Amino acid sequence: DSGVTQTPKHLITATGQRVTLRCSPRSGDLSVYWYQQSLDQGLQFLIQYYNGEERAKGNILERFSAQQFPDLHSELNLSSLELGDSALYFCASSPPGGDPLDTQYFGPGTRLTVL
Amino acid sequence: AQSVTQLGSHVSVSEGALVLLRCNYSSSVPPYLFWYVQYPNQGLQLLLKYTSAATLVKGINGFEAEFKKSETSFHLTKPSAHMSDAAEYFCAVSDHYGGSQGNLIFGKGTKLSVKP
Repeated sequence: DSGVTQTPKHLITATGQRVTLRCSPRSGDLSVYWYQQSLDQGLQFLIQYYNGEERAKGNILERFSAQQFPDLHSELNLSSLELGDSALYFCASSPPGGDPLDTQYFGPGTRLTVL
Repeated sequence: AQSVTQLGSHVSVSEGALVLLRCNYSSSVPPYLFWYVQYPNQGLQLLLKYTSAATLVKGINGFEAEFKKSETSFHLTKPSAHMSDAAEYFCAVSDHYGGSQGNLIFGKGTKLSVKP
């Protein structure tokens, strides 16, 4: 158990819909990263937050957005869903300090299926 | 830009045999390299990371990796495979160049099968 929690574990929805994925980082961690794992693209970095502020953006679509709240949990919002958005979405957290060498601890993921 | 390439999407070994999973990196700055393992239906777990303190890095579960700058490689090895090693393994480099904040750039992954 990494200490990072993600809900829900599974999500099945239809094209055009909007969903919210939730992540709670390890106690004391300030950084939250979101990654998408799909068969086509592999594991790709989406976005990073540090103590409530956006720090870095990767290959995140404009239909996707995220935020980190004062209690440090984070939500990833996916809208106008397409079949190709079906994937595993992972959240990871890392200790304070922002050192690129810090270990990222991954949650169990949310499996999104778009029908 | 930084990247990693994992050679072989699937590797199969017999129990007790040597495990060798290959990873080559591309980086214009000294790289920070990681190996993660993903067991079925689980998240990723760190096996080991290269911090430049030593070129031979020991990780959990008997795995180790050697950083070779001349070959731009960071291959993962384990002397004797166990059935419980069956999983997918990802090599990653930390994107810490040009203002990036340490997000990980992953290879495509290598699925390791262990035959009894």
